[in-house]
Amino acid sequence: DTEVTQTPKHLVMGMTNKKSLKCEQHMGHRAMYWYKQKAKKPPELMFVYSYEKLSINESVPSRFSPECPNSSLLNLHLHALQPEDSALYLCASSQEGGVFNEQFFGPGTRLTVL
Amino acid sequence: QQPVQSPQAVILREGEDAVINCSSSKALYSVHWYRQKHGEAPVFLMILLKGGEQKGHEKISASFNEKKQQSSLYLTASQLSYSGTYFCGTPDQGAQKLVFGQGTRLTINP
Repeated sequence: DTEVTQTPKHLVMGMTNKKSLKCEQHMGHRAMYWYKQKAKKPPELMFVYSYEKLSINESVPSRFSPECPNSSLLNLHLHALQPEDSALYLCASSQEGGVFNEQFFGPGTRLTVL
Repeated sequence: QQPVQSPQAVILREGEDAVINCSSSKALYSVHWYRQKHGEAPVFLMILLKGGEQKGHEKISASFNEKKQQSSLYLTASQLSYSGTYFCGTPDQGAQKLVFGQGTRLTINP
């Protein structure tokens, strides 16, 4: 299984809602990532988990809260988002963290904040 | 610091060749290349490592010039399926994370 899955595919939420994005991989990878991608822009790193521990937080606002319940799962909890947070949220995984291993991306969750 | 890609966009006919460049102002330990089709996730193409090692699984070649802090991706005899946006990723923050270039949009016409 060489797939990263993400749910939901699409999400529309109001600024007062609380929602969660889910990511799963069964490749035995020990690093997992959250990226944010705006239209016609490259993916921007938000968080990195390595061996289930948060290793990088790119100064992301606290309205985004990551969680890694186990080595296969990664969640992103959303609360009190702003319209400018609307974007494609990509999850990725790699065998190890760092820059020497390829990253496998999931299909993304397209988020719209009203 | 974000690597710089050139060109920003290129339009080719099927069968023509393309070269996409990626330059960094920092020393490079590795360069990653990904392709993203419209509405889809980025897909890994190739990783080039300091010392000449390459890892990839597509019929695409690339070069890595550590001294010039540059990498080039070579797409020969392009096919319609090569269309998409190509991103290079280079190390940042003590080689702990990747930073992606702004992308090169490749359009292949029949």
